Amino acid sequence: LAKTTQPISMDSYEGQEVNITCSHNNIATNDYITWYQQFPSQGPRFIIQGYKTKVTNEVASLFIPADRKSSTLSLPRVSLSDTAVYYCLVVTPTGGGNKLTFGTGTQLKVEL
Amino acid sequence: DSGVTQTPKHLITATGQRVTLRCSPRSGDLSVYWYQQSLDQGLQFLIQYYNGEERAKGNILERFSAQQFPDLHSELNLSSLELGDSALYFCASSTGQGRTNEQFFGPGTRLTVL
Repeated sequence: LAKTTQPISMDSYEGQEVNITCSHNNIATNDYITWYQQFPSQGPRFIIQGYKTKVTNEVASLFIPADRKSSTLSLPRVSLSDTAVYYCLVVTPTGGGNKLTFGTGTQLKVEL
Repeated sequence: DSGVTQTPKHLITATGQRVTLRCSPRSGDLSVYWYQQSLDQGLQFLIQYYNGEERAKGNILERFSAQQFPDLHSELNLSSLELGDSALYFCASSTGQGRTNEQFFGPGTRLTVL
């Protein structure tokens, strides 16, 4: 399983764009990059998944360079409710689903 | 609301006891996963079932066991409980098909061992 490295914490203000970068140097050819969000005492929630280049959905964008050794989750115009832990995962697709290996995550704190 | 339900929400028990945690996956999801989250260990994958069969094992202790029933609900059995087993236990489900790694997590069961 590819190991991921991400900052332990980040601070931002409401209305700012937040970029969280994750390093995954030993990512394999078939691996996907996936990000989850977790609020205290709740289960993680899927944010976005990508393989290469850029992926965008209604809540975030994911940028993956050509070598795929890192990725950046971009949250546009954050609000107080985006304060949470964000996990970067590298997942290898397998038949019947995938087990997720969570790292320590990045604690994002958004202030007024 | 993820569509995954877990019961009970809270469980308080004593060391040496046995408990059963229950999970109902989202309608149509064939894969069920169990995770343990504690302050010192973080979020750890325990075990995965797909359509009734065990598919993957993580850091699950021998005192713990799980199964997935024909109606796809799953149970996690924890026995000979120790203080260190106190944690949040999450169940997640996914379709188990395709390339998405999206798992839907339930609200969790908070286990306190006294």
